[in-house]
Amino acid sequence: AQSVTQLGSHVSVSEGALVLLRCNYSSSVPPYLFWYVQYPNQGLQLLLKYTTGATLVKGINGFEAEFKKSETSFHLTKPSAHMSDAAEYFCAVIGSEAGGTSYGKLTFGQGTILTVHP
Amino acid sequence: GAGVSQTPSNKVTEKGKYVELRCDPISGHTALYWYRQSLGQGPEFLIYFQGTGAADDSGLPNDRFFAVRPEGSVSTLKIQRTERGDSAVYLCASSQGQGSYNEQFFGPGTRLTVL
Repeated sequence: AQSVTQLGSHVSVSEGALVLLRCNYSSSVPPYLFWYVQYPNQGLQLLLKYTTGATLVKGINGFEAEFKKSETSFHLTKPSAHMSDAAEYFCAVIGSEAGGTSYGKLTFGQGTILTVHP
Repeated sequence: GAGVSQTPSNKVTEKGKYVELRCDPISGHTALYWYRQSLGQGPEFLIYFQGTGAADDSGLPNDRFFAVRPEGSVSTLKIQRTERGDSAVYLCASSQGQGSYNEQFFGPGTRLTVL
């Protein structure tokens, strides 16, 4: 079974500072990895995803993440935080179960609330 | 185009009552998922439909929970004999196909409160 751990339920940064949200996963097979963002009273929105190929993935709003197999990590970064980045961020994984696929069943981490202050 | 919609946006009910939550997926999306998000937690998978059939219902917590998608479009999540522990935000998502790499588009959710 897959699992996702997000280190830090709350992260606070200054506007213009580096954003780093940490995600580690557990999967017995090569995973598909995702970052979603959730703004208040809105649905989850996909930021970026890793499936195969290049391990550095670029997403919307200037975010990027790097898949590191040796560290089982998929940390999310943005060089310069903006006030509009304040939201909750979820890391998620899809991995094949033994003997079959998971049909896109997402396993989410517990989320990290990002606060950006002036 | 229209995204995934869910109704109602909020539902307050009393313990023991029956509730139905509706999901309208994006037109043409064959795959539909239900997730439940408890306070302070990430969403947890409940059930997955491919077309009209439930291909994976392993996440339904018990037999009080049931979901249907009779015409392969709109889906209804049904909860019988609600309990206070069922209080959560219920999320619906749809995607174009069943592949793991197909992006899931999420609705805004239904916040269920059981008193």
